[in-house]
Amino acid sequence: GESVGLHLPTLSVQEGDNSIINCAYSNSASDYFIWYKQESGKGPQFIIDIRSNMDKRQGQRVTVLLNKTVKHLSLQIAATQPGDSAVYFCAENRRAGGTSYGKLTFGQGTILTVHP
Amino acid sequence: DAGVIQSPRHEVTEMGQEVTLRCKPISGHNSLFWYRQTMMRGLELLIYFNNNVPIDDSGMPEDRFSAKMPNASFSTLKIQPSEPRDSAVYFCASNSATRGEKLFFGSGTQLSVL
Repeated sequence: GESVGLHLPTLSVQEGDNSIINCAYSNSASDYFIWYKQESGKGPQFIIDIRSNMDKRQGQRVTVLLNKTVKHLSLQIAATQPGDSAVYFCAENRRAGGTSYGKLTFGQGTILTVHP
Repeated sequence: DAGVIQSPRHEVTEMGQEVTLRCKPISGHNSLFWYRQTMMRGLELLIYFNNNVPIDDSGMPEDRFSAKMPNASFSTLKIQPSEPRDSAVYFCASNSATRGEKLFFGSGTQLSVL
């Protein structure tokens, strides 16, 4: 069935480097995408989101890129810090007649480790 | 803003026992979601409510699972009888139309069924 998946389960970077976390999706009908960060023992925390009518959106130290042609989503973290170490999830909202509002389907996650 | 509040944080029980997980959504949010997280299956949506009404429960594993939302500030997820394969972290999340589609998650309940 259709699903949201990640190419790399783990990513290790040095402090100060830029990080790129990738996500592939298969449902071309998805029109909303979101990234979450989950630290150990905590719930997922919102990072940034993007709608399908956009290709790029920037936040504080983070940028999300959406390539609808190849159904690919990425999260870029600039100047990665040890506090960025966590599991990162992408998620999509597959709308269906307006009844799936907020119903997110999550990918498997990528473990980001930042070394001092 | 106190965030989504879940209780208990940890629950250890024996197979066959009833388990009740509780959630208080963010005040003013009108949608509430129950997710389950495991290493094997990741984050799975179990059920969600809109204005206290269950909208989609297709993710509920089987009849042993039930969820209620008696009012806008409280929801429960019950497992009866519990089984070892129910061991997971259960998250509650909420959102509202004014906040867009992003969900705000609680800290989760770590359930261990022995």
